[in-house]
Amino acid sequence: AQSVTQLGSHVSVSEGALVLLRCNYSSSVPPYLFWYVQYPNQGLQLLLKYTSAATLVKGINGFEAEFKKSETSFHLTKPSAHMSDAAEYFCAVSAEGINKFYFGSGTKLNVKP
Amino acid sequence: GAGVSQSPSNKVTEKGKDVELRCDPISGHTALYWYRQSLGQGLEFLIYFQGNSAPDKSGLPSDRFSAERTGGSVSTLTIQRTQQEDSAVYLCASSPELAGGWDTQYFGPGTRLTVL
Repeated sequence: AQSVTQLGSHVSVSEGALVLLRCNYSSSVPPYLFWYVQYPNQGLQLLLKYTSAATLVKGINGFEAEFKKSETSFHLTKPSAHMSDAAEYFCAVSAEGINKFYFGSGTKLNVKP
Repeated sequence: GAGVSQSPSNKVTEKGKDVELRCDPISGHTALYWYRQSLGQGLEFLIYFQGNSAPDKSGLPSDRFSAERTGGSVSTLTIQRTQQEDSAVYLCASSPELAGGWDTQYFGPGTRLTVL
């Protein structure tokens, strides 16, 4: 069985500050991990994904995430927040041969000027 | 190019009525997924299609829910005898192929269903 937990349904940061969105997963097999972003009034789009290659994954818009097996985590970070980063972020897990994707409940990021 | 489209964008219905939600995937995408997003919840996986086939229907919440896909393209999610707990945003996504768990999915804008 697989599941994802996103700690913090709302995160607020100041423009220019570090963004850290937390994702912990549970998987009985080696996971594939994803971060999707949903901007206001838009559909979800892929930010980045981990599929068993490099543990540090770089995505679009300066975001990156690190797969840490020992901590069962895949936290999303960005060194300096922009106003345009305000959106809802979803972490998701899947695995080899499992054509189902389990999403977390999402974290809404607010960026203050 | 055109993305995933869904119709209607909003649907208000009365309890007990049937509704049909439509998804038009990106042309050429063989894999198609349906999700449900309830208020304050994450995305709940409902079903996926590889071509016209749905190998696993276990994510459908009840037998009131059914889905089909024709011609390897358009998919319809049908909810019979709607209940208030069916109120949610229904999202459709497609991907070029069923790659076995590492698919990048392209999402539509969703259909917001409200059951009165």
